[in-house]
Amino acid sequence: KAGVTQTPRYLIKTRGQQVTLSCSPISGHRSVSWYQQTPGQGLQFLFEYFSETQRNKGNFPGRFSGRQFSNSRSEMNVSTLELGDSALYLCASSLDTTGELFFGEGSRLTVL
Amino acid sequence: QQPVQSPQAVILREGEDAVINCSSSKALYSVHWYRQKHGEAPVFLMILLKGGEQKGHEKISASFNEKKQQSSLYLTASQLSYSGTYFCGTDLNNRLAFGKGNQVVVIP
Repeated sequence: KAGVTQTPRYLIKTRGQQVTLSCSPISGHRSVSWYQQTPGQGLQFLFEYFSETQRNKGNFPGRFSGRQFSNSRSEMNVSTLELGDSALYLCASSLDTTGELFFGEGSRLTVL
Repeated sequence: QQPVQSPQAVILREGEDAVINCSSSKALYSVHWYRQKHGEAPVFLMILLKGGEQKGHEKISASFNEKKQQSSLYLTASQLSYSGTYFCGTDLNNRLAFGKGNQVVVIP
């Protein structure tokens, strides 16, 4: 079956701009989580959606937001980009919150 | 609060053994292990549950000490394919909090 698909894979933005990243989970998976990965910091949890509802949120500023659609596809948005937002953003889907996570290959964001 | 992983990095020769650890300051219900190869997505290795249940796809063994709030992953007779960064995740308020990872390099 098809895996988790994230688009775009790479993007470059400048400070102050905003960006929207997309994630299509594995068919049948209703939970979608987002993580920020930067060198030396591991995977930092951003938020998790289940059946269009945000069930959990990490310690990120309000500039980071997300949503989930009825088909379980999810988007995350970062507004007023800062240099420190440069990172690999990973999306993971799962059947439930604490089960096996299936990660996409990520969207690599560079902020100049 | 994210779990603490140690050692930060380990280099070993093919066929050697290594142990990598994951510790938490909070009581654990489960520990998840993932491996990420360079330039690739993290891939699930196993889940260890309180009570001893273990679910995994690979022949990599691990332990879960509930009292010590830690888990260890045993890389036995390491293969070149074991190279990568290993992340442990612990359940925290119904979400997974990952550590910073253990970088493992297996050389011929």
